[in-house]
Amino acid sequence: DQQVKQNSPSLSVQEGRISILNCDYTNSMFDYFLWYKKYPAEGPTFLISISSIKDKNEDGRFTVFLNKSAKHLSLHIVPSQPGDSAVYFCAASSGGGADGLTFGKGTHLIIQP
Amino acid sequence: DAEITQSPRHKITETGRQVTLACHQTWNHNNMFWYRQDLGHGLRLIHYSYGVHDTNKGEVSDGYSVSRSNTEDLPLTLESAASSQTSVYFCASKPGLSSYEQYFGPGTRLTVT
Repeated sequence: DQQVKQNSPSLSVQEGRISILNCDYTNSMFDYFLWYKKYPAEGPTFLISISSIKDKNEDGRFTVFLNKSAKHLSLHIVPSQPGDSAVYFCAASSGGGADGLTFGKGTHLIIQP
Repeated sequence: DAEITQSPRHKITETGRQVTLACHQTWNHNNMFWYRQDLGHGLRLIHYSYGVHDTNKGEVSDGYSVSRSNTEDLPLTLESAASSQTSVYFCASKPGLSSYEQYFGPGTRLTVT
């Protein structure tokens, strides 16, 4: 059973507009959430994270929102740029970060010029 | 600069052969991880290690083994390669148990024929 779900395999957004990537989870024990960005033929790179005790974290153009009651988080990218075209993975951790991450299937974000 | 490397980057092997994928990090991180990425599955945890001589099974550990003889390396061995193990393999590391962010290597694409 998939514990982290990214239900949109792909998303197309016009350059300069806002990109919103969504992620849902089922495991109430998750206490930390991360977003990774991945280009083809490269490893995932860390983008932004949020602790379960917060509902928002912002870093430049990237903001992550967490709604614990809905078990939902979202990544907002404003404004979207061509270099943002990549696959974005939502990941979750439990147990204080001791074990590995549980990943969603990823969303392929395409920024249209 | 400190980094995490994987070798080989590409490997083709035959069913039944033993294969070892290398992972080397120069950050002196205690925690290391192996994941596989398959279409439609995101990244799934194979094995992980908290430190020298420590190894733990992940979600999809059957058919794989790891050993940790020093801090820098965590080789992944496929004892008898199967076609179902055709995948892209990523190694990752993080400083310690209290940190969440993992740093990923560039990946190894393994094809089992």
